[in-house]
Amino acid sequence: DAKTTQPNSMESNEEEPVHLPCNHSTISGTDYIHWYRQLPSQGPEYVIHGLTSNVNNRMASLAIAEDRKSSTLILHRATLRDAAVYYCILRDSSNTGKLIFGQGTTLQVKP
Amino acid sequence: GAVVSQHPSRVICKSGTSVKIECRSLDFQATTMFWYRQFPKKSLMLMATSNEGSKATYEQGVEKDKFLINHASLTLSTLTVTSAHPEDSSFYICSANPTGRILPETQYFGPGTRLLVL
Repeated sequence: DAKTTQPNSMESNEEEPVHLPCNHSTISGTDYIHWYRQLPSQGPEYVIHGLTSNVNNRMASLAIAEDRKSSTLILHRATLRDAAVYYCILRDSSNTGKLIFGQGTTLQVKP
Repeated sequence: GAVVSQHPSRVICKSGTSVKIECRSLDFQATTMFWYRQFPKKSLMLMATSNEGSKATYEQGVEKDKFLINHASLTLSTLTVTSAHPEDSSFYICSANPTGRILPETQYFGPGTRLLVL
């Protein structure tokens, strides 16, 4: 699986938007970009995924660069419950489905 | 949404004993499940892919005789840590892919099992 690079940590104020970047310069044409997050002492949960076009769901938005070498997860209004580790993962459409986690970005949300 | 459960949520055992952790998909069938371990302040490390009705596939460096995986039904996979030692203390997490999805859009994770070996 291709490697992703994320900042170790980020801070945000409550009710403000948060932009979490991810670099994946070696992404291949069949790699999907997935985001998961892990709250303290819990298993990860799915956030969003995309291939080429920007995506929106109830949790977040995913902005994908035109060359697909980077992407940004956008939380429109951060809440204290959004404090978690956010993982950006590339997933080949032909693989077994396994996810290889990088170090992720620890997001702190300040009241 | 799809739910994956794990049992127990936490377990404390003596060194040398074996511990079994169950992973169940509650409202969907899963031909494939995955087992991860996570040390404090670290990321998840994939241990193995559990396949229903066949042998598990272990990641490089994971001892298959130490971490026994059984996937006897489409809703249950078990991980047994044999002859546990303090260095096996960790947070074990399973996940499951719904059967029949050509490209699973999401992987559903259990809440994790915290193992402490004394």
